[in-house]
Amino acid sequence: EVVLTQSPATLSLSPGESATLSCRASQSVGSYHLVWYQQRPGQAPRLLIYGSSSRAAGIPDRFSASGSGTASTLTISRLEPEDFAMYYCQQYGGSLITFGPGTRLEIK
Amino acid sequence: QVQLQESGPGLVKPSETLSLTCSVSGYSINSGYYWAWIRQPPGKGLEWIGSMYHHGGSFYNTSLRSRATISVDTSKNQFSLKLTSVTAADTAVYYCARNPHTTIRGMDIIYWLDSWGQGTLVTVSS
Repeated sequence: EVVLTQSPATLSLSPGESATLSCRASQSVGSYHLVWYQQRPGQAPRLLIYGSSSRAAGIPDRFSASGSGTASTLTISRLEPEDFAMYYCQQYGGSLITFGPGTRLEIK
Repeated sequence: QVQLQESGPGLVKPSETLSLTCSVSGYSINSGYYWAWIRQPPGKGLEWIGSMYHHGGSFYNTSLRSRATISVDTSKNQFSLKLTSVTAADTAVYYCARNPHTTIRGMDIIYWLDSWGQGTLVTVSS
């Protein structure tokens, strides 16, 4: 079973700065891919990035991602107050969906 | 624009069956997507439970496969989750979501979760 790890667990930054979040899979399995979600407190997760680097509808271009099926980096430039939230990566490519444990992006 | 709304009891007794329904509006449930359930224990991360297609194809989390059943009712544009023999560990916010997929060489591959319900808290307690 593939396990996803996210780093750092918590990231403390100030508005206006840039954030770099990482996600890595425990093993390389065929043509798997990674996507990203944002979850604000008390809200459902919302899709940010799919297909490894495509932004979902309504997601500002401050959000970008790069990487492969086993490692992905989410970059958020010019942090806005509403960006401080939990971020989860998810792997897909077969018959299972796996989430990472999440990175908490908090205001410094 | 697709909208999803979970409904069901907020309290279930240990050893009983948790039953939830997701009502879909703005999109026909038999129009080409899988439909998924995901849960999130209080203060913890996300756990995918399973996904189902309207024609009956389904995928489940290995750890929940023996207790979880997802079904689709196209006449009501709804899909449902049943989780048997619940314990306190099943206490969580349960989300339903739309799950795109593709078919390669006759095999379905499920992708991401592109639209989510707001979630419903289910507590397992006597």
